[in-house]
Amino acid sequence: AQKITQTQPGMFVQEKEAVTLDCTYDTSDPSYGLFWYKQPSSGEMIFLIYQGSYDQQNATEGRYSLNFQKARKSANLVISASQLGDSAMYFCAMREGQGGKLIFGQGTELSVKP
Amino acid sequence: DSGVTQTPKHLITATGQRVTLRCSPRSGDLSVYWYQQSLDQGLQFLIQYYNGEERAKGNILERFSAQQFPDLHSELNLSSLELGDSALYFCASSVAGGGIYEQYFGPGTRLTVT
Repeated sequence: AQKITQTQPGMFVQEKEAVTLDCTYDTSDPSYGLFWYKQPSSGEMIFLIYQGSYDQQNATEGRYSLNFQKARKSANLVISASQLGDSAMYFCAMREGQGGKLIFGQGTELSVKP
Repeated sequence: DSGVTQTPKHLITATGQRVTLRCSPRSGDLSVYWYQQSLDQGLQFLIQYYNGEERAKGNILERFSAQQFPDLHSELNLSSLELGDSALYFCASSVAGGGIYEQYFGPGTRLTVT
């Protein structure tokens, strides 16, 4: 079964608007972490934001925020005030328990239009 | 720049050959992870080392092996290469072996098997 599901293969957003990238996950472990990474066309993986399963508040990092809905097992990434440089692949990932390995979703390709 | 270095950046080799990919973690990070990114399999965890010891194993083929040296750099050895091994290989590092710590990715090594 898919542990991390990103249902949007591609998304378009107008520059300066907000966009939400969806991510749902599946785990029976009460302790887990959720991550978002950005992969521009150059190929590197850039860490954006982290949310722990016990965190009471949604994580925020600058223009990035994570809309964490535990009961629905969703961890959507919200990018506010989109910029042209935000055009990239975005991956949601999960770490289960106290282990370190990350399980990745298939990614969402975001295109920001001027 | 994540602080994780990987060499070489690109590698082109023939089927049946053996290659070694090298990774230096961020200063102070004890854990090294290897991931493979291919078009058909997406991003997959291969193996993790923590302070020189193997910590976790993922979908790593028997033809592949890795190690972490006393100076904490790591090498991923790929042998009897097949066309399907063509992929982007990432190394990531984190402070600890798991838990809440982010993983920072290197720029990747793009392997092409011809």
